[in-house]
Amino acid sequence: KAGVTQTPRYLIKTRGQQVTLSCSPISGHRSVSWYQQTPGQGLQFLFEYFSETQRNKGNFPGRFSGRQFSNSRSEMNVSTLELGDSALYLCASSLGLSRSDTQYFGPGTRLTVL
Amino acid sequence: EDQVTQSPEALRLQEGESSSLNCSYTVSGLRGLFWYRQDPGKGPEFLFTLYSAGEEKEKERLKATLTKKESFLHITAPKPEDSATYLCAVQGGGSNYKLTFGKGTLLTVNP
Repeated sequence: KAGVTQTPRYLIKTRGQQVTLSCSPISGHRSVSWYQQTPGQGLQFLFEYFSETQRNKGNFPGRFSGRQFSNSRSEMNVSTLELGDSALYLCASSLGLSRSDTQYFGPGTRLTVL
Repeated sequence: EDQVTQSPEALRLQEGESSSLNCSYTVSGLRGLFWYRQDPGKGPEFLFTLYSAGEEKEKERLKATLTKKESFLHITAPKPEDSATYLCAVQGGGSNYKLTFGKGTLLTVNP
């Protein structure tokens, strides 16, 4: 069974630009969660989508947004990039039917903002 | 708010030297405690899920245990390939589906 895939794997942008990251979940999984990982803060929850609806949102500014498509693939968008947005962005998929469902992570997208 | 604290931050072992990593948590209504392994530049790899106090799970040289306040990841006779950052996360009660992670323990196993 194929795992979670994320594209692109690496991105370099400049301040003020916007970026879109993509995530394809494990087949059959309907929940996709996004996390930001930085050396100082560790992994922090951004948002979670289930059946094309955002179910939960973390404490990030409105510049961070996402969506989910009918095939469960998800995209995350960051507008007006800031230097502090440089991080590893991880998506995780799960069945999404229970809060105890295991989340499986993709390899991440490394975003560098110059 | 859910909180997870992992200790130590870093641990250096000799090959074959067994030890334990600690994960202390505060959560309202634990739905699950998860252990992941993360290699540099990669996403976290799932290891174990524990659901209730007293539960134990094993996989090769790793054994995870759970009490009402903490979880331990025991590493028996580690090998250099066990070197990685080990992350602990909790899924609490309420309506949120998010995982709350600790900062991790960086394990280095020297040959």
